[in-house]
Amino acid sequence: KAGVTQTPRYLIKTRGQQVTLSCSPISGHRSVSWYQQTPGQGLQFLFEYFSETQRNKGNFPGRFSGRQFSNSRSEMNVSTLELGDSALYLCASSKETGGLWAEAFFGQGTRLTVV
Amino acid sequence: DAKTTQPPSMDCAEGRAANLPCNHSTISGNEYVYWYRQIHSQGPQYIIHGLKNNETNEMASLIITEDRKSSTLILPHATLRDTAVYYCIVRVGTGGFKTIFGAGTRLFVKA
Repeated sequence: KAGVTQTPRYLIKTRGQQVTLSCSPISGHRSVSWYQQTPGQGLQFLFEYFSETQRNKGNFPGRFSGRQFSNSRSEMNVSTLELGDSALYLCASSKETGGLWAEAFFGQGTRLTVV
Repeated sequence: DAKTTQPPSMDCAEGRAANLPCNHSTISGNEYVYWYRQIHSQGPQYIIHGLKNNETNEMASLIITEDRKSSTLILPHATLRDTAVYYCIVRVGTGGFKTIFGAGTRLFVKA
């Protein structure tokens, strides 16, 4: 079956601009989580969506936002980009059975460079 | 979620077993142990998870001590393609995927 698809794979933006990243989860997966990965901070949790609702949120400023659509596809948006937002942004999808999830599948990520 | 401690790096000879330790002394009764790995520039990949019994799948074995305060991931016959950062995570299996990843162990498999 198809894996988690993230688009675009690479992106270059200028400081002050905004960006939208997309994630298509594995069919049947209703949970989508987003992570930021930088060399200095490692993998940091951004937020998680389930059935179009944000269920969990990490410690990131309000410039980072997201949403989930009825088909479980998710987007994250970063406004007023800063140089420090340059990172690999990863999306993961998981399937829950009776509220219990066993594993999450990650996409290849979107590498964002802010110049 | 319980905190985990892993060595920052380890070496292993190709074809030998790689044993990656993880300490999680504050684990709660309802928390699972999960292992993921990340090969350079790719998204993390799920390996295995367990609650208190030892587990084995086609990729690896997970050995959890009886007091559940530590565990070991075993790659039975390491190959060069197993060179990656391995993350040990301890958390409950409900409440959504909001996992906090630590620094992990960088495993170098050498020919």
